[in-house]
Parts: sequence; structure tokens; C-alpha cells
Amino acid sequence: DQQVKQNSPSLSVQEGRISILNCDYTNSMFDYFLWYKKYPAEGPTFLISISSIKDKNEDGRFTVFLNKSAKHLSLHIVPSQPGDSAVYFCAASVSNNNDMRFGAGTRLTVKP
Amino acid sequence: DTGVSQDPRHKITKRGQNVTFRCDPISEHNRLYWYRQTLGQGPEFLTYFQNEAQLEKSRLLSDRFSAERPKGSFSTLEIQRTEQGDSAMYLCASSLGQYEKLFFGSGTQLSVL
Repeated sequence: DQQVKQNSPSLSVQEGRISILNCDYTNSMFDYFLWYKKYPAEGPTFLISISSIKDKNEDGRFTVFLNKSAKHLSLHIVPSQPGDSAVYFCAASVSNNNDMRFGAGTRLTVKP
Repeated sequence: DTGVSQDPRHKITKRGQNVTFRCDPISEHNRLYWYRQTLGQGPEFLTYFQNEAQLEKSRLLSDRFSAERPKGSFSTLEIQRTEQGDSAMYLCASSLGQYEKLFFGSGTQLSVL
């Protein structure tokens, strides 16, 4: 049961432009959402999170938007840099439940 | 900052053999998680410890899988009678508490021939 879906397996953008990565979820009980970034041969590293009481969280070049009615969240990276090239995973969890669900990931390539 | 370390990084084994992986979490983290990741998929939750207590197990964790965290520090994941379908990246993560971000290790890549 794929409760967290990232429908775009890959995304390519030009350096300096905006990258928008999308994530959809089906479980309305999810109340905490995270984005992780993964480089080859490394484990995922935490990027940014948002709780369901908010609709936006910003950290430097990274902003996460949450649309609860649409069960959709997105990660915006502005401006994109070549070092941002990695696989990005969306993740979600429910209060008092440690089973964090991950999407399949989107491979972002930022071209110089 | 030593981070989460996993050993070995790679393991190749023959079908039917037993394998054991080790995870050393960040020292002050009381929560430890095991995930499995296959090609083209995101990490899938296997099990979770709070200190030495194993509090949750996924239905993905068959009877051939066992995890321990005997002293609330390092953890081991053992797979008995390995099958080719067990081939995956096994990731360990730790955190300070609920709603805290997970810190992942680099994983153990298992190949079952």
C-alpha cells in the first residue's frame, strides 16, 4: 500500500532556476511530513519538515508547502544549485506511530 | 560528530546462509530504527527500538528476521536462511525522540546469490 507517492521519478532543471518536487499522500491521519535528500552511497539526510498545523515552512533556499485538503506537499528549491543534484524522498508519519512512510524518490539533476 | 555507523557496508552471501548486520546510533539517541530499501523505492520501515525495547515491528519483518538492541546502544539485525528476495539496502537510523528527524547510516548492501 503506497501511502506516499512521488509520481515523478526524475526532474532536471537549470542552475539558478526553481526546482519543484511533488508528493501526494493517501492517509489523512498523517500529521508530520519530511523531506530527505540522498546522495549515492550515503544514507538519506534530513532536509526540512512540516507539521499538519502549518501550510508552509521555509529554511534558506528550501520551502515546503502543505495542502491538506489535496493531500499534497511540495518542496521548492530556489535558486537551484548543481550540489542539489540528489534523490529526494518525501516522508510522512502519524502521531504516536513510528512507522514513517517514504515515497519512492525523485532524482533531481541541476545542470550548470 | 560520529553519526550513525553501520557494518558491514556490503555483504554478499549464498542463499540459505545467515547474516548479521550491526548499527551504532548517535550516542545520545534513544530511538533506533531499521529500514529496508530496494532499487527504485523509498526506505520501508522494518522495526523500531526505544532504548532496549523493541516497540514496533512491520509485517514486512518475517520470522527469519530478528533485531536486538541489548543494552540500548548498538543494534543487530539478523536474517536467517537468506533468500534472493532479501537482497536490498538495510538502513539504520536513530533519533532523539518522536517528531525528531531521523539520522541515517550509510546502510548495508546485501546481495543474496
